[in-house]
Amino acid sequence: TQLLEQSPQFLSIQEGENLTVYCNSSSVFSSLQWYRQEPGEGPVLLVTVVTGGEVKKLKRLTFQFGDARKDSSLHITAAQPGDTGLYLCAGAKNAGNMLTFGGGTRLMVKP
Amino acid sequence: DAGVIQSPRHEVTEMGQEVTLRCKPISGHNSLFWYRQTMMRGLELLIYFNNNVPIDDSGMPEDRFSAKMPNASFSTLKIQPSEPRDSAVYFCASSIGLVRSSNQPQHFGDGTRLSIL
Repeated sequence: TQLLEQSPQFLSIQEGENLTVYCNSSSVFSSLQWYRQEPGEGPVLLVTVVTGGEVKKLKRLTFQFGDARKDSSLHITAAQPGDTGLYLCAGAKNAGNMLTFGGGTRLMVKP
Repeated sequence: DAGVIQSPRHEVTEMGQEVTLRCKPISGHNSLFWYRQTMMRGLELLIYFNNNVPIDDSGMPEDRFSAKMPNASFSTLKIQPSEPRDSAVYFCASSIGLVRSSNQPQHFGDGTRLSIL
């Protein structure tokens, strides 16, 4: 059982559509990070959210940390083929460097 | 700047053989992590070093797995003897380890794809 549950696991959409990916847990995290991984490469950090209720925007990507710091979402507006990849959320539980990763959402954006 | 460097990129070997995976973290990073990624189980933390000292190895599957960090610029993950179920992509990551901060990003290498026949 994953400590961090991501949904959906797979998502295939057309270019221009909007989508939301969810990351949920019954545990409280001190911070949460989102990574994107492309085939043959390691995950690359997109954003870190720290404060409950925090919203961060990165171009067409909007990240939100839940008020209770147990969940997070990633919303992509007008998806493009370049957004294709595996999106991973990762939570940190205390003042330390260890992260617990969710199972990932595999996104495919078709032109 | 050089990122985390892992070698080899691919390894194919027969079961029972010893496998050694290598990692060079980013210079100045004092935390190093070994992960294993499979379709079934996702990305799993195997072991975590801080200042070359193993801090948490609870994710190491069994005694066949061992990891060392003899200095700040090098780490190895060894599997002996290897089994087909060890087939996976193994990632090394490094970060700046600040005692009172949990917000430091981890920088990943491109992984070693291991196939045990």
